[in-house]
Amino acid sequence: EVLLVESGGGLVQPGGSLRLSCAASGFTFSSYWMHWVRQAPGKGLVWVSRVNSDGSSTTYADSVEGRFTISRDNAKNTLYLQMNSLRAEDTAVYYCARVRDGTKSGAFDIWGQGTMVTVSS
Amino acid sequence: SYVLTQPPSVSVAPGKTARITCGGNNIRSKSVHWYQQKPGQAPVLVMYYDRDRPSGIPERFSGSNSGNTATLTISRVEAGDEADYYCQAWDSDSDHWVFGGGTKLIVL
Repeated sequence: EVLLVESGGGLVQPGGSLRLSCAASGFTFSSYWMHWVRQAPGKGLVWVSRVNSDGSSTTYADSVEGRFTISRDNAKNTLYLQMNSLRAEDTAVYYCARVRDGTKSGAFDIWGQGTMVTVSS
Repeated sequence: SYVLTQPPSVSVAPGKTARITCGGNNIRSKSVHWYQQKPGQAPVLVMYYDRDRPSGIPERFSGSNSGNTATLTISRVEAGDEADYYCQAWDSDSDHWVFGGGTKLIVL
């Protein structure tokens, strides 16, 4: 079964850091581009970041550029999101998602169940 | 940055046809994908590259993209189709991915 499982969420104070993980199984992880998408409580989906299949290229939404870092370990079949200088507006469920084909414009065909990040004092 | 605009809600009676629109400047030049999200669940891909259905998605779901509007059409709507629907596209100018604000499909 193709599966993505996020972990690492929790409560953190403003200005703090957190690292999210996304464990992949059931497919050749190293062949796929991956993304992080977040959803604030009661709000819509917002794209956060993407990494290409070998980890050599990354892109970030303007709202997280310079604070968040996406990376992957293909040997461990794991995607990461290092989040620094966290703000209250970063509070959201964070999903990892797989691009179904090798194209930049491809759809996200597999999603994890999400991990909640709460930034509050 | 590129903006995708969706109506906040669409209401439809069971058995009728629902059309959910996604507006964007010259959106026909982009590949649009659609996701369904039910409360407390992760999004599910229901349409990709404007009009292709993933395996397991009923034929009642179809898509189109023309001019400044992409449309997800759900025929013979069922109670189980009630959910939030999001359109998505990649903006080549910014190399960013964009989601619409989402449309809540209400089955009367």
